[in-house]
Amino acid sequence: GESVGLHLPTLSVQEGDNSIINCAYSNSASDYFIWYKQESGKGPQFIIDIRSNMDKRQGQRVTVLLNKTVKHLSLQIAATQPGDSAVYFCAENILGQAGTALIFGKGTTLSVSS
Amino acid sequence: GAVVSQHPSRVICKSGTSVKIECRSLDFQATTMFWYRQFPKQSLMLMATSNEGSKATYEQGVEKDKFLINHASLTLSTLTVTSAHPEDSSFYICSAKFPSHEQYFGPGTRLTVT
Repeated sequence: GESVGLHLPTLSVQEGDNSIINCAYSNSASDYFIWYKQESGKGPQFIIDIRSNMDKRQGQRVTVLLNKTVKHLSLQIAATQPGDSAVYFCAENILGQAGTALIFGKGTTLSVSS
Repeated sequence: GAVVSQHPSRVICKSGTSVKIECRSLDFQATTMFWYRQFPKQSLMLMATSNEGSKATYEQGVEKDKFLINHASLTLSTLTVTSAHPEDSSFYICSAKFPSHEQYFGPGTRLTVT
């Protein structure tokens, strides 16, 4: 069933702006979350992940925030570039259940104009 | 990171024929692989979980006799779409689960049934 969703289907930003993409999940048992980037005609590309024992994790130009109280996940992209234009998906998993698949949210299309 | 390949990347077939899609983990052994289907402008929907040496587990609503999955080795899973129809046209994506918890995705296969 539906367990992960996104608040906004599209997001348009100017080059250099910071982007924030949001995701809501409903399975309280999920303890592992991942953000993927998918370009047209390609498979999902791993961006960053976070476990439920953390509330923030930073990568190169990206930060993931996790709020377990309200079951909310966000991806922040700093200094957004045209190459960041893609569809972004959040996904959830339960680490303790070996062999379980990732469940994906609906996706947000990020458009970056220069 | 780990590499997962899919073959073919694109296939066009006539209605009523069968099509086989291969998913390979190139540099690690994957005891579990997953098959997803993605329709245009939609998210990835899990079809089935493929475990090496055992029968696949299908998600609700996915016909196991129509979507045959074989996971004969630790590096290869195949999805055969039998008696394909135009409504089976979609983007099929596989993923392989690393022995820890990371999941790596293939580049996808675009199936068009005419």
